Amino acid sequence: EAGVTQFPSHSVIEKGQTVTLRCDPISGHDNLYWYRRVMGKEIKFLLHFVKESKQDESGMPNNRFLAERTGGTYSTLKVQPAELEDSGVYFCASSQDTYTNTGELFFGEGSRLTVL
Amino acid sequence: AQSVSQHNHHVILSEAASLELGCNYSYGGTVNLFWYVQYPGQHLQLLLKYFSGDPLVKGIKGFEAEFIKSKFSFNLRKPSVQWSDTAEYFCAVNAYNTNAGKSTFGDGTTLTVKP
Repeated sequence: EAGVTQFPSHSVIEKGQTVTLRCDPISGHDNLYWYRRVMGKEIKFLLHFVKESKQDESGMPNNRFLAERTGGTYSTLKVQPAELEDSGVYFCASSQDTYTNTGELFFGEGSRLTVL
Repeated sequence: AQSVSQHNHHVILSEAASLELGCNYSYGGTVNLFWYVQYPGQHLQLLLKYFSGDPLVKGIKGFEAEFIKSKFSFNLRKPSVQWSDTAEYFCAVNAYNTNAGKSTFGDGTTLTVKP
């Protein structure tokens, strides 16, 4: 079974440019999460999709970040325009069932974003 | 709001030494607790988890963790580390009856095991 895949693995852009990160969850996982780790700090929750619906986007830093999950399959996270403080590693994770409350997350390898 | 504190940012051990990584969380309700590990160049993966029952849980690769509710702690242990345990370790918590996948993570502890 394929795991969670993320693309690109590393992106270097200049301040003011746009970057789009992509995540393909494990097939059949309705729940998809985006997390971010900045400067070696804690991994912070950004948002949660259930299928194509945003269930919780309380962690999104500001309106420069836009996440979509069309058709309930893969998801994209767009940063526009990028700022220096957006640099970090963006993790995607998926899980099978919210209501069993197991909460086990399956992570991708992360997309490292460097904004110069 | 939940928070997780990992006491050691970087731990260096020799092979065969015993390991204990501290994790304390702040939350008053029922929680699920996790330890994740990220080996160099790999993705985060689950090491072990606690939902209920026996507070001493065993995970993969000889790791175990003990949930002490009165201390809000979930420390990770291994009696004898190996060079291959070199990795970054993250403690995480989520609240039982809320968004089950919305976990709060600690800052991580980097473990370096010298051969």
